[in-house]
Amino acid sequence: SQQGEEDPQALSIQEGENATMNCSYKTSINNLQWYRQNSGRGLVHLILIRSNEREKHSGRLRVTLDTSKKSSSLLITASRAADTASYFCATQMDSSYKLIFGSGTRLLVRP
Amino acid sequence: GAVVSQHPSRVICKSGTSVKIECRSLDFQATTMFWYRQFPKQSLMLMATSNEGSKATYEQGVEKDKFLINHASLTLSTLTVTSAHPEDSSFYICSAPTSSGNTDTQYFGPGTRLTVL
Repeated sequence: SQQGEEDPQALSIQEGENATMNCSYKTSINNLQWYRQNSGRGLVHLILIRSNEREKHSGRLRVTLDTSKKSSSLLITASRAADTASYFCATQMDSSYKLIFGSGTRLLVRP
Repeated sequence: GAVVSQHPSRVICKSGTSVKIECRSLDFQATTMFWYRQFPKQSLMLMATSNEGSKATYEQGVEKDKFLINHASLTLSTLTVTSAHPEDSSFYICSAPTSSGNTDTQYFGPGTRLTVL
């Protein structure tokens, strides 16, 4: 089962611009994680934000979490062509390790 | 960081045959592993939780007799797609959390692309 939706489904931007992706989920969570997947490849863990946190930064990545709205956003600043990939949010509801993924956003960064 | 491998990376088989996919944690022990399926341009759908020494837990709608899971050791889980059909063609990905006490960290394998002719 999928926890929620991401929007936009696809995003095309110019190199150097910022990219914002949103994720909504349905149930209470322990934490929310963002992953990147290059075409036909495995997943790369980007960042994790816990339910008691509102914002987190890692390099060019900024993640926000609004538990009242059950939503999160991922901002990639100063995008590069190498950022072209699919991005997924995933929620962990409890301590069982199980992750439920969102529908994903396909990001294209044009050089 | 920890490494999870999958074998094979690609497999093509005829309809009706069975295919086994291995997921290994290379430098840590994993009492739990997860199997996901991903159709083209779609998200990862959790299929089942593989538990070392006990039966796997399947998500709703996943046929346990179709997708056999065996977690025989602390570093290996196998997924066998029995009597595969073209609709089983997909990208299968496993993941494993480390047993370091940090429940947040999971490591994903590189995936196995199954094509059933």
